[in-house]
Amino acid sequence: KAGVTQTPRYLIKTRGQQVTLSCSPISGHRSVSWYQQTPGQGLQFLFEYFSETQRNKGNFPGRFSGRQFSNSRSEMNVSTLELGDSALYLCASSSRADTQYFGPGTRLTVL
Amino acid sequence: DAKTTQPTSMDCAEGRAANLPCNHSTISGNEYVYWYRQIHSQGPQYIIHGLKNNETNEMASLIITEDRKSSTLILPHATLRDTAVYYCIAFIKAAGNKLTFGGGTRVLVKP
Repeated sequence: KAGVTQTPRYLIKTRGQQVTLSCSPISGHRSVSWYQQTPGQGLQFLFEYFSETQRNKGNFPGRFSGRQFSNSRSEMNVSTLELGDSALYLCASSSRADTQYFGPGTRLTVL
Repeated sequence: DAKTTQPTSMDCAEGRAANLPCNHSTISGNEYVYWYRQIHSQGPQYIIHGLKNNETNEMASLIITEDRKSSTLILPHATLRDTAVYYCIAFIKAAGNKLTFGGGTRVLVKP
């Protein structure tokens, strides 16, 4: 079975721009969670989607948003980028309330 | 989720078993012990999890004490590719639940 895939793997943006990251879960997994990982803050939960509905949300500003499509693929969007948004963005998929499997991540650098 | 405590770092000789301890003295009855590892700048990789019984898979073994207050991850024959940060997590398998990583143990496998 193919693992979780994320695109793009690397991204460089400037302040004020917006960005969209994509995640394709493991086949059959309907839950997709997004995390932000930085050296200073560690792994922080952004949100979780199940069957196209946001089921849980972390403590991030409204500039961070996401959605899930009927095929379980998910996207997250960050608008008005700030320098502090530079991070590794991770997507994890799971089958219902079970083990989460992570993708390779998207490394976002904001200049 | 219960707090876990792990040593900050440890070295291991290539070919030898690596025993990674984790303390979770406040773990509740429905919390699983999960182990992930993260090789530099890659997405976290799921290793193994358990509730009460010892578990073994192709990657590692998990030994959980009878009182469930601590556990040990065993990598039977460490290789250089096992160099990574290892995270022990106490996690409730519930819909929408998020993972929280602590500092983890930085394992360096030496030739």
